[in-house]
Amino acid sequence: QVQLVQSGAEVKKPGASVRVSCKASGYTFTSYEINWVRQATGQGLEWMGWMEPNTGNTAYAEDFRGRVTMTRSTSTATAYLELSNLRSDDTAVYFCARGAGADYFYYHLDVWGKGTTVTVSS
Amino acid sequence: QSVLTQPPSASGTPGQRVTISCSGSSSNIGGNTVSWYQQLPETAPKLLIYMNNQRPSGVPDRFSGSKSDTSASLAISGLQSEDEADYYCATWDDSLKGVVFGGGTKLTVL
Repeated sequence: QVQLVQSGAEVKKPGASVRVSCKASGYTFTSYEINWVRQATGQGLEWMGWMEPNTGNTAYAEDFRGRVTMTRSTSTATAYLELSNLRSDDTAVYFCARGAGADYFYYHLDVWGKGTTVTVSS
Repeated sequence: QSVLTQPPSASGTPGQRVTISCSGSSSNIGGNTVSWYQQLPETAPKLLIYMNNQRPSGVPDRFSGSKSDTSASLAISGLQSEDEADYYCATWDDSLKGVVFGGGTKLTVL
């Protein structure tokens, strides 16, 4: 079955970087974008950006530009999210999600990983 | 402050029909289709509705979606206790060039 399996929880100090992985299975990895969405405790969903596994092209939400990098390994069908210069308000659950839809008009996130908790604390 | 506006809470009794609204603008809902996600406590979001009114396989037909101009709605009929969850609307925003979400609606089954 189609699934996205994420890496385990991370604890980081302010100013550090974190890398979260998302391994895809059950479908052709290079055929769908991987989106990253985060959720702080008790808060709503916040889109961070996406990565096209086929080309490596990325698009980042304005709030994260300069601090976020999304990459992939096509050989292992794994997407990566790296967030640098961490702050306490980056403490959140980070989800990867597969993008579906022929173009932006139809875009939706049809498969989600279970989430990775990132805690930023001194 | 979310780009899409949802009521923070909604409630209903078992068997009742409830609706959750989602308001946007011409750059997002007005020009693109809307999806809805259900997030049960301590779990990842799950796609509930896409392309305004389409249900993925396995989603009961008690859930339905609609869109008009710059607003969308999620309706849940025959409310059940297991429907108690947070619900989010989302769409593409042509100005921001990204996915935007509503702030979420917490549904309580009384």
